Amino acid sequence: DAGVIQSPRHEVTEMGQEVTLRCKPISGHNSLFWYRQTMMRGLELLIYFNNNVPIDDSGMPEDRFSAKMPNASFSTLKIQPSEPRDSAVYFCASSLKPNTEAFFGQGTRLTVV
Amino acid sequence: RKEVEQDPGPFNVPEGATVAFNCTYSNSASQSFFWYRQDCRKEPKLLMSVYSSGNEDGRFTAQLNRASQYISLLIRDSKLSDSATYLCVVNKGSARQLTFGSGTQLTVLP
Repeated sequence: DAGVIQSPRHEVTEMGQEVTLRCKPISGHNSLFWYRQTMMRGLELLIYFNNNVPIDDSGMPEDRFSAKMPNASFSTLKIQPSEPRDSAVYFCASSLKPNTEAFFGQGTRLTVV
Repeated sequence: RKEVEQDPGPFNVPEGATVAFNCTYSNSASQSFFWYRQDCRKEPKLLMSVYSSGNEDGRFTAQLNRASQYISLLIRDSKLSDSATYLCVVNKGSARQLTFGSGTQLTVLP
């Protein structure tokens, strides 16, 4: 079975550039989560969707970050403009429904120079 | 107070040892609890769910204490392959998304 698929796996970009991260959740899962992981702050929830609708985006650090889920099989996380402090591993995860176990993609390692 | 708190470790134990991790949570309305495992530079993976009655999966035992708001993970007869970071995960009460602890690092030594 295909798990959560994220692309790209690695991204190196210059400060000020736009970055788009992509995620395909597990088929049939209704909840999708974007997390960011750094050494300093651990795993932080950025935003979560249920049935393609954003439910809680309180973790999105600032207006430079935006996320969309146009359909049940695709989501994007966009950073515009990117800054060096955005360097982190970004994980997408999906679950069958809220409160159940989440399954993670392999992550996108973002480096902003 | 953090929503989910764990001892960061590191825990360095010899092969065959028994090791236990605890995790406390602040929201008394939390209903779902999990332990995840994360290997270096990999994604977190579900290790086991934690049920009110406690549950066991091979060498791993998870327990929940609602009164004191903590969950625990016990690993018996630890193996080298158990070396990883163990993440305590709790649902955020009525908001229903999962909140991760900062993780406890375990190294099993030969």
